[in-house]
Amino acid sequence: DSGVTQTPKHLITATGQRVTLRCSPRSGDLSVYWYQQSLDQGLQFLIQYYNGEERAKGNILERFSAQQFPDLHSELNLSSLELGDSALYFCASSARSVPAPTEAFFGQGTRLTVV
Amino acid sequence: KNEVEQSPQNLTAQEGEFITINCSYSVGISALHWLQQHPGGGIVSLFMLSSGKKKHGRLIATINIQEKHSSLHITASHPRDSAVYICAPYSGGGADGLTFGKGTHLIIQP
Repeated sequence: DSGVTQTPKHLITATGQRVTLRCSPRSGDLSVYWYQQSLDQGLQFLIQYYNGEERAKGNILERFSAQQFPDLHSELNLSSLELGDSALYFCASSARSVPAPTEAFFGQGTRLTVV
Repeated sequence: KNEVEQSPQNLTAQEGEFITINCSYSVGISALHWLQQHPGGGIVSLFMLSSGKKKHGRLIATINIQEKHSSLHITASHPRDSAVYICAPYSGGGADGLTFGKGTHLIIQP
């Protein structure tokens, strides 16, 4: 158990809908990273928050947004969903702002299926 | 952008075999990570290395920075090693400096 909790584990929704994915980082970790893993693309970095502020942005679509709350949990909002958004969405957390995976702990992921 | 190529994409082997997974990348890096993703999704970091070789149990990772190449070896493979192995080179500059290979899907048959 990495200590990072993601909910829900599975989500099935229709095209055009909006969903919210939630991540609770390990106790004490200030950084939260969101990644998308689709079958043909591998892991893609979406966005990082550090202590409530956006720290780095990757290949995140305009239809997607995220935030980190004062209690450090984070939410990833996906709207106007398309079939191509079906993927595993991972959250990782680390104590510092660096992205090195040896210092980051991954959640189990949320599998999103858009039908 | 760092282009990462892993080979093979899929590998099925018998228990006890020596396994090699390769990773090549296109841009100079400061470190490279090997990750393991088990069925069910969870991702675990195995190694971070910036030069030479590291060993952890039956796993060995090597890197040649000049050649832009890294390998992950598994000795005396076991069915519990069945997983996806992902190479992730880090070229610095923040979280977006970490790129990922598409992974090698390894199945070890008893």
